[in-house]
Amino acid sequence: KAGVTQTPRYLIKTRGQQVTLSCSPISGHRSVSWYQQTPGQGLQFLFEYFSETQRNKGNFPGRFSGRQFSNSRSEMNVSTLELGDSALYLCASKEVSSYNEQFFGPGTRLTVL
Amino acid sequence: GIQVEQSPPDLILQEGANSTLRCNFSDSVNNLQWFHQNPWGQLINLFYIPSGTKQNGRLSATTVATERYSLLYISSSQTTDSGVYFCAVVYQAGTALIFGKGTTLSVSS
Repeated sequence: KAGVTQTPRYLIKTRGQQVTLSCSPISGHRSVSWYQQTPGQGLQFLFEYFSETQRNKGNFPGRFSGRQFSNSRSEMNVSTLELGDSALYLCASKEVSSYNEQFFGPGTRLTVL
Repeated sequence: GIQVEQSPPDLILQEGANSTLRCNFSDSVNNLQWFHQNPWGQLINLFYIPSGTKQNGRLSATTVATERYSLLYISSSQTTDSGVYFCAVVYQAGTALIFGKGTTLSVSS
């Protein structure tokens, strides 16, 4: 089975712009979660989507949003980018149960100038 | 919320040495995973171990859920074991992984 894939792998944006990141889960996995990793805050949960619905949300401002499509692929969007949004964004997928093992993609490294 | 603490924060070893990484958590958990983050940032699954003991080659892990800790053992370390090791848990009715701050392992030849 192919693993979780994320595109693009690297991205450079300027303050005020918006960005969309994409994640394709492992075949058969219907839950997709997004995480942000920064040197200061570590790895933090952004949100989870299951069956095209947001099932859980972390403590991030409304500038961070996401969606999931009927084929389980997910996108996350960050609007009005700030310097502090520079981070590694990781996507994870798992099977249906809440407690199943999560598998991560290679990440998208976003730099905001 | 739950606290996940990993120790030690940094570990320096010579190739061939053994090591033990610890993860303490402050509440009952439904899921516990160990990851190795490679130099390119990807989190590699090592173990899914909410309780009990598992082994995979030179690596093994034990979670004692009643005492709220997990241990990751690395035997006969190799330079390729270098990197950051994370422990992450899911607790209560949640679905999100809550990560510790990680242990940075450096193995020199």
